[in-house]
Amino acid sequence: GIQVEQSPPDLILQEGANSTLRCNFSDSVNNLQWFHQNPWGQLINLFYIPSGTKQNGRLSATTVATERYSLLYISSSQTTDSGVYFCAVAVRNFGNEKLTFGTGTRLTIIP
Amino acid sequence: DTAVSQTPKYLVTQMGNDKSIKCEQNLGHDTMYWYKQDSKKFLKIMFSYNNKELIINETVPNRFSPKSPDKAHLNLHINSLELGDSAVYFCASSQDLRRVRYEQYFGPGTRLTVT
Repeated sequence: GIQVEQSPPDLILQEGANSTLRCNFSDSVNNLQWFHQNPWGQLINLFYIPSGTKQNGRLSATTVATERYSLLYISSSQTTDSGVYFCAVAVRNFGNEKLTFGTGTRLTIIP
Repeated sequence: DTAVSQTPKYLVTQMGNDKSIKCEQNLGHDTMYWYKQDSKKFLKIMFSYNNKELIINETVPNRFSPKSPDKAHLNLHINSLELGDSAVYFCASSQDLRRVRYEQYFGPGTRLTVT
């Protein structure tokens, strides 16, 4: 099956810093999503981005499908950004798509 | 309005018991899923249903039985609970897989603890 690798596994930053999280995947995908799992365990959809670039406030994401990677940028970090960030992908399989998750990047923002 | 909801939020039970987790979505989606998140935070799909039909059944013990009474609901019944079943179970939904957009939306999770 498809492999999904995220880096770095852990990231500790001061409030106000910027960060880049990376997701590499091993096959062509028709779905790529970024999630934030907050300290209460909720999985929050950040981006649906199988290709291209999107921005939402301080967050933006870019997926280069031909090179099989995606980047999540967080600017001017706030303590509420802390948590685990997951990348998840799905390969087109004619009705049998399933999201395969990476192992996540744990982000800690220090005040 | 909650898009994908699950009940209960927390479930503590003893080994050998049978329990159910319920999921409902009000997004009008055709496809629903169950995912399991283990103690190391790894998320893995268990099942998916499209319009009440089982589509994906990963290598899950047959003590786990999903049931979809209609396309807005997907329940998970677990028989003879074991310690290793302790995890957070997430329900998710998405539009018909045959359409272009496949974004999945997740519920708040059910934390199951087996003692």
